[in-house]
Amino acid sequence: DGGITQSPKYLFRKEGQNVTLSCEQNLNHDAMYWYRQDPGQGLRLIYYSQIVNDFQKGDIAEGYSVSREKKESFPLTVTSAQKNPTAFYLCASMALPGAPSSYNEQFFGPGTRLTVL
Amino acid sequence: AQSVTQPDIHITVSEGASLELRCNYSYGATPYLFWYVQSPGQGLQLLLKYFSGDTLVQGIKGFEAEFKRSQSSFNLRKPSVHWSDAAEYFCAVAPRSNDYKLSFGAGTTVTVRA
Repeated sequence: DGGITQSPKYLFRKEGQNVTLSCEQNLNHDAMYWYRQDPGQGLRLIYYSQIVNDFQKGDIAEGYSVSREKKESFPLTVTSAQKNPTAFYLCASMALPGAPSSYNEQFFGPGTRLTVL
Repeated sequence: AQSVTQPDIHITVSEGASLELRCNYSYGATPYLFWYVQSPGQGLQLLLKYFSGDTLVQGIKGFEAEFKRSQSSFNLRKPSVHWSDAAEYFCAVAPRSNDYKLSFGAGTTVTVRA
C-alpha cells in the first residue's frame, strides 16, 4: 500500500534534548511538508521541500531543522532551541503538478505526538 | 494579509440533522480551496477541493461545499449527519502560485449527539 508513515507515534523528550521525527513516503511525491498542530490553532507550516537536497522555511521554522537526502524521506529534528515543542506533528507529501498554475492534493501521515517532560 | 477564517470553534449537531461549517478567506485572487477532516489523534483526510468550474463541489462521505466568490467563502455542508462524522474539520487554501503551500484555518470541532 502506498502512503506516508511517521514514527514514533508518541515521543517523550527531556528539556534540552534534540529529537528527530521520522517521515517516509512511498508515493513517489516530490514535495514534502512538516506541520505543527496545537489546539485551536490549526496546522502551521514548519518546513517544506520540493526536491532532494533543497528545503525552505515555513512560518514557524525557529528551533527546527530538516534534511532531504532522499526523495522518500524528510526527517524533522526538534532542537533544544525550540521553546515550546510539545505538540502534534504532521508530515505530508504531494505530487508536484505537471502544469503551471495547477495544484494537487497533499496527503498526510498519522502524526507524532511529542511531549516534553 | 492573507488569511483563512473558520468562525465556529465548536458545533454540536444531532444525528440526522444537517451540518454547515463556515470558511472565509482573504486572498488577492481566488485561491485553491480544500476541506480536510481529522479524527482524534489521526492525520488529515481530504474531503473535497475546488480549483475552478462548478461552484458546488461534491466530496467523499456525503459532503459538499459551495464556493461563493462574492463572499470569499467556501462553506461545507452535509444534509444528514452520522455519528461517525464527529471530528475536527479544517478549511485550507493555496494561492495560485508555484510555492505549493497550504494555509489552514483554526478548525471546527463537530460533536454529534444521539
